[in-house]
Amino acid sequence: EADIYQTPRYLVIGTGKKITLECSQTMGHDKMYWYQQDPGMELHLIHYSYGVNSTEKGDLSSESTVSRIRTEHFPLTLESARPSHTSQYLCASSELRSGGSFNEQFFGPGTRLTVL
Amino acid sequence: KQEVTQIPAALSVPEGENLVLNCSFTDSAIYNLQWFRQDPGKGLTSLLLIQSSQREQTSGRLNASLDKSSGRSTLYIAASQPGDSATYLCAVYSGNTPLVFGKGTRLSVIA
Repeated sequence: EADIYQTPRYLVIGTGKKITLECSQTMGHDKMYWYQQDPGMELHLIHYSYGVNSTEKGDLSSESTVSRIRTEHFPLTLESARPSHTSQYLCASSELRSGGSFNEQFFGPGTRLTVL
Repeated sequence: KQEVTQIPAALSVPEGENLVLNCSFTDSAIYNLQWFRQDPGKGLTSLLLIQSSQREQTSGRLNASLDKSSGRSTLYIAASQPGDSATYLCAVYSGNTPLVFGKGTRLSVIA
């Protein structure tokens, strides 16, 4: 079944640890995105990719980094986690069709990160 | 720069009511508009996508309309149920840029 997966779903770690949040999609989508969302607050785009070896920073400044070595995989890494990184991280992907005029986006279930 | 506004920010209705959620956008040059639902602590679920050439889309008790020239979309929910309680977000796609999201409308349907 075509879907988008995120692991882990929940993560509690100590300050200073390096972490990688995984995101994979089986839909063959070229575009992938990472959003950060605090409880009850709006979505903030932090990174996106339009294809392999292509990554861009989003609207919200983030200390995280991303890579896109394979189409289906878009991991997000924090080199040194801090309590200010505590948030929910949502991964999404989308597909362009109809000459670029049709773009439907799908989201993963999210990773809730707590940094102590 | 495209901006998306959703009004109201929160809405509480008794079960069984029909209701309308509003979404407006500042730049009418869009390719499509997508409505999502988000339950607390979860990811977003796509509800409906309307292309710029379409006027409306329907899925079950949901009907979304689009007036591109005036920069507005509405999501109509018929016969609301407690299970409809969630945050509803709209987002517009203008081509070659990521989706621009509104801040959402938090809906509570009271039994």
